[in-house]
Amino acid sequence: EAQVTQNPRYLITVTGKKLTVTCSQNMNHEYMSWYRQDPGLGLRQIYYSMNVEVTDKGDVPEGYKVSRKEKRNFPLILESPSPNQTSLYFCASSFLAGGLEQFFGPGTRLTVL
Amino acid sequence: DAKTTQPPSMDCAEGRAANLPCNHSTISGNEYVYWYRQIHSQGPQYIIHGLKNNETNEMASLIITEDRKSSTLILPHATLRDTAVYYCIVREDNTGKLIFGQGTTLQVKP
Repeated sequence: EAQVTQNPRYLITVTGKKLTVTCSQNMNHEYMSWYRQDPGLGLRQIYYSMNVEVTDKGDVPEGYKVSRKEKRNFPLILESPSPNQTSLYFCASSFLAGGLEQFFGPGTRLTVL
Repeated sequence: DAKTTQPPSMDCAEGRAANLPCNHSTISGNEYVYWYRQIHSQGPQYIIHGLKNNETNEMASLIITEDRKSSTLILPHATLRDTAVYYCIVREDNTGKLIFGQGTTLQVKP
């Protein structure tokens, strides 16, 4: 089944404790992206990747890192999480950046205490 | 900022057509209109897209006005499972970024 998977789905952590949210797609998509969703602010793009080893900042990249060492995986790294990074996170992928349909993962609900 | 304007909420009776409007008066000639929906904090789901012609797929129809300044998503026979937030999006550029506004919360009622 074609899908985007994220792990973990739920995470409660404490300020400053490094964490990684994994994202994987099995559709051989070149384009991958991370969004966060907050009440009243909608979904906002954090980082995106056009292809392997090519990443770029979205609208709200501060406090996040990403890597794209292989096509299928696009992990989101929070080196020192803070409470303002408490949010619902979505990974998305498409065949190309201009791809007509983006596939979204199920989401990761992160709480930073 | 989102380049689209949608009503915040709408109701629809089960089995009837749901017509969701969207204004995108500043759309450029090469920009597509996309519709996604999000069911209760799940990942957004692609519905349909169009450039200037009307489009139909197994989920919905998209009607785009001739001047392309507005469009309507039509769910022909709404079911309770269609209750969701519907987002109308104009693709900004070739970065792939989708700018989600506040969307329309569609409540399908029995």
